[in-house]
Amino acid sequence: NAGVTQTPKFQVLKTGQSMTLQCAQDMNHNSMYWYRQDPGMGLRLIYYSASEGTTDKGEVPNGYNVSRLNKREFSLRLESAAPSQTSVYFCASSHTGPSTNTGELFFGEGSRLTVL
Amino acid sequence: KDQVFQPSTVASSEGAVVEIFCNHSVSNAYNFFWYLHFPGCAPRLLVKGSKPSQQGRYNMTYERFSSSLLILQVREADAAVYYCACASNTGKLIFGQGTTLQVKP
Repeated sequence: NAGVTQTPKFQVLKTGQSMTLQCAQDMNHNSMYWYRQDPGMGLRLIYYSASEGTTDKGEVPNGYNVSRLNKREFSLRLESAAPSQTSVYFCASSHTGPSTNTGELFFGEGSRLTVL
Repeated sequence: KDQVFQPSTVASSEGAVVEIFCNHSVSNAYNFFWYLHFPGCAPRLLVKGSKPSQQGRYNMTYERFSSSLLILQVREADAAVYYCACASNTGKLIFGQGTTLQVKP
């Protein structure tokens, strides 16, 4: 029962390098999300996808791009990593979209990214 | 600005009832959501709603702009980060900073 799977779990980058965080869910959920978790800041929404083929900015989208490859997969790309992007990144999915306000998100275990 | 507020740390002793308080300034938010996060694991939903509710040892109180999570008979294994969240008028969840629960034996 995999749920939401993120890869990689750990990554160290140098400033200016690029990388993609991968996320896949096997629950046939329509909506997917990327959050970042920083000490004292809680979970902040970077981007979300309410359905296959659509993506929208969240609270902190600068420096990131996303791709909803299909219904299962939602990737997050850092084109030119900066030390301010050092964080733990969480992918999540939900059956219903953001507008229906049900609030049950299913999270992955997180990806810890360090940018030197 | 839409925000959710909760204490950064709460300490308790084993066997006690611990309360974690949350309030918000989120426009048109009516539901609270409480998530549990053990570092290194996936956060998961504990309890949610727009009225008082209970799931096992977890009770959620409800007022229009505030909620408390009550954990009954708290154990050392309950030491974790607890997130309170509200849904904005666009439906997206806005999380508080998280409350680290410390449990003394």
